[in-house]
Amino acid sequence: AQKITQTQPGMFVQEKEAVTLDCTYDTSDQSYGLFWYKQPSSGEMIFLIYQGSYDEQNATEGRYSLNFQKARKSANLVISASQLGDSAMYFCAMIPPLSGGYQKVTFGTGTKLQVIP
Amino acid sequence: NAGVTQTPKFQVLKTGQSMTLQCAQDMNHNSMYWYRQDPGMGLRLIYYSASEGTTDKGEVPNGYNVSRLNKREFSLRLESAAPSQTSVYFCASSYQPGTGNTEAFFGQGTRLTVV
Repeated sequence: AQKITQTQPGMFVQEKEAVTLDCTYDTSDQSYGLFWYKQPSSGEMIFLIYQGSYDEQNATEGRYSLNFQKARKSANLVISASQLGDSAMYFCAMIPPLSGGYQKVTFGTGTKLQVIP
Repeated sequence: NAGVTQTPKFQVLKTGQSMTLQCAQDMNHNSMYWYRQDPGMGLRLIYYSASEGTTDKGEVPNGYNVSRLNKREFSLRLESAAPSQTSVYFCASSYQPGTGNTEAFFGQGTRLTVV
């Protein structure tokens, strides 16, 4: 079974500063994928970034980067140069290896980020 | 580029009423999911469908039924709504055969209130 833990229910960051959102996971699978999703107040789920467990380099997508430490089972999201539009809930998620075309996505409980002007 | 379309967006039910949430995807995805989102609990899986014709229970299936009508459509039914089912419901889909894409795409959510 997979488990995702996000220990920060809420975070504040000053506009233009960087912020790290923590995510740790637990799995017995050797290969897996890790995602981060953003959920603004409007409610939709927006995909941000993906890291495969065998990817040697940390994933980056614009201002988002994933600090992947496999031995520690952590997959922290780093947002550089925060903007007011980054204020949202952020969910870390994991998928196990693909099996029969099905992948159950396990989500953490989320971190609410607020960017202060 | 519709992606995942979920209807309705908002619904208020009285206790004991029934309703069906509709979900359709146009990305040729094999797998579809229904989640509910409650404050402080992240997203919890209600039911999923690995492929057309198959459905399985997730973490919190009680009080719900699902139908995978075809590859595109996956509906969630509440037979007798209860206040505990007040939540935001998300449909999602993933896995396009023949590609390496595993990202899950989400519908816009349905905010359901049971009074």
